[in-house]
Amino acid sequence: QVQLVQSGSEVKTPGASVKVSCKASAYTFTNYYMHWVRQAPGQGLEWMAKINPSGGITSYEQKFQGRVTMTRVTSTTTVYMELSSLRSEDTAVYYCARGYDTAILMWGQGTLVTVSS
Amino acid sequence: QSALTQPASVSGSPGQSITISCTGTSSDVGGYTSVSWYQQHPGKAPKLMIYDVSNRPSGVSNRFSGSKSGNTASLTISGLQAEDEADYYCSSYTTSSTLVFGGGTKLTVL
Repeated sequence: QVQLVQSGSEVKTPGASVKVSCKASAYTFTNYYMHWVRQAPGQGLEWMAKINPSGGITSYEQKFQGRVTMTRVTSTTTVYMELSSLRSEDTAVYYCARGYDTAILMWGQGTLVTVSS
Repeated sequence: QSALTQPASVSGSPGQSITISCTGTSSDVGGYTSVSWYQQHPGKAPKLMIYDVSNRPSGVSNRFSGSKSGNTASLTISGLQAEDEADYYCSSYTTSSTLVFGGGTKLTVL
């Protein structure tokens, strides 16, 4: 069945960067967009970015412009999200999610990123 | 992009129906048929319940239905069951080619 398997939890210090991976399986990787969404503790969902794995074109939420980079490696069907200049407010569960350009259909299990000195 | 507006909480008794609203603008909800609804139980990843305003994915109960009028979308759950107690989020495509979520609604089954 279709799976999105994310990398494990991370603990980072303020100012550092984090790179989270999301490996997709059991479907044609280039046929679906991949999104990244985060959820701070006790808070709602926040959309961050998306990538079209077919051509690698990305789109970022303005709030994260300049700090987030989304990439993909088609040979390994893996998508990456790198967030730089981390601050405590970036502490959250980060989800990769498969879907269309306009909607999310399925979510990964989530990766907890903790930013603490 | 400002978050879509949802009520913070709704409640209902088993067997009743409830409706959760999701209000945006003409730049998101009102401008597209790309409104989705997600259910999230504590500690779990969200699950798609409705996409493209009113379409249900395979495996989702027909007790869940969606609609839209102008800048407001709605999720209706009929025949409430205990397992429906969860947080619900709406999302919409936007004119900026991004997605935006609502703040979330906590559903309590009394």
